[in-house]
Amino acid sequence: GDSVTQMEGPVTLSEEAFLTINCTYTATGYPSLFWYVQYPGEGLQLLLKATKADDKGSNKGFEATYRKETTSFHLEKGSVQVSDSAVYFCALISSGSARQLTFGSGTQLTVLP
Amino acid sequence: NAGVTQTPKFRILKIGQSMTLQCTQDMNHNYMYWYRQDPGMGLKLIYYSVGAGITDKGEVPNGYNVSRSTTEDFPLRLELAAPSQTSVYFCASSSSDRINQPQHFGDGTRLSIL
Repeated sequence: GDSVTQMEGPVTLSEEAFLTINCTYTATGYPSLFWYVQYPGEGLQLLLKATKADDKGSNKGFEATYRKETTSFHLEKGSVQVSDSAVYFCALISSGSARQLTFGSGTQLTVLP
Repeated sequence: NAGVTQTPKFRILKIGQSMTLQCTQDMNHNYMYWYRQDPGMGLKLIYYSVGAGITDKGEVPNGYNVSRSTTEDFPLRLELAAPSQTSVYFCASSSSDRINQPQHFGDGTRLSIL
């Protein structure tokens, strides 16, 4: 079945540091890939997505590139802010899955001033 | 822009009690989902629906029931609450057009079974 493996957390960075959160996946067919963010006490919000190989999703300074050859979708940001502190989830939807999202376990990011 | 609305936000139940978690969306989405999120874990799918009158089991359906009588509403019922059902529950919806359509989430219901 489909699965998503995320970098273990928690991750603690200083403000303006570079962020990478690794994500790899196993899926049938050609999945769509997503990063969701969950701020404390809130539901999940879509951060970015990519729907085919070599697509780059981007939003709020975050980027991730759909790498089919390495089945990866790593999240990056060049300069994190305190307000980026949250839990980040990598997820996929594969064809024939009734649009069901398969999530990674999440990575807690804390950014210190 | 209400999006996906869940009620209640918090609830404490005793073992063996029953309750219904409410979920409604105003985006006319055909697809709706219920997930549970346990500490330090990703979300696991409980049930989903591809349209009014149609529901199906997800990864962890035991102990839960759902119904979908309208496009807007997708309530989740716990019949005999057990401590293992202590979790945060999220409802989500999406359009049915393509697999690249994102799911929109509610703010969650935090449920404790004591």
